[in-house]
Amino acid sequence: AQSVTQPDIHITVSEGASLELRCNYSYGATPYLFWYVQSPGQGLQLLLKYFSGDTLVQGIKGFEAEFKRSQSSFNLRKPSVHWSDAAEYFCAVGARGNTGKLIFGQGTTLQVKP
Amino acid sequence: DGGITQSPKYLFRKEGQNVTLSCEQNLNHDAMYWYRQDPGQGLRLIYYSQIVNDFQKGDIAEGYSVSREKKESFPLTVTSAQKNPTAFYLCASWDRADTEAFFGQGTRLTVV
Repeated sequence: AQSVTQPDIHITVSEGASLELRCNYSYGATPYLFWYVQSPGQGLQLLLKYFSGDTLVQGIKGFEAEFKRSQSSFNLRKPSVHWSDAAEYFCAVGARGNTGKLIFGQGTTLQVKP
Repeated sequence: DGGITQSPKYLFRKEGQNVTLSCEQNLNHDAMYWYRQDPGQGLRLIYYSQIVNDFQKGDIAEGYSVSREKKESFPLTVTSAQKNPTAFYLCASWDRADTEAFFGQGTRLTVV
């Protein structure tokens, strides 16, 4: 069965420090991969997505993610975190075929210390 | 501006009552989705519709119903059969051209 695991429920980093949020997936083939961000009480905003090609993808707000097929991972990174990055982050996978059905991880809440 | 509008933002319901959450989009997307969000569980798919007048159950459809009479609208009814309806509900549409989901701002439903 398809699944997405975000091992870290809660992460705290200092402002200016680097960030890596982990995402592992289980899927029979290479899925579509997404990272979304959610501010409290709001909807989800797409940070970046991967379908094929270059395994390092760049997104908005200075985020990037790297697809590693051998590890079934799609970790999100940012070199220097800003206080405004505090939010909840979701990794999601979508089946090939462009149906739009997404499976989400449990989410990682990021807290930024001043 | 194009987007997805969910209303109301907050909704209170007494036990035993049905309630309908509104979702409207002006993005001209064919596919629309309803997700339920609970703390620590991510988003779970309730129902989805790939085209007008057609919809399918997601992973947690029990106690919910939907309709898709218009391309722009995909309302979700939370029925009295839903045992634990208090949650945050998110509606989304899917852009097949850009392979991307767009989300509304959500409706927080509380059963009192």
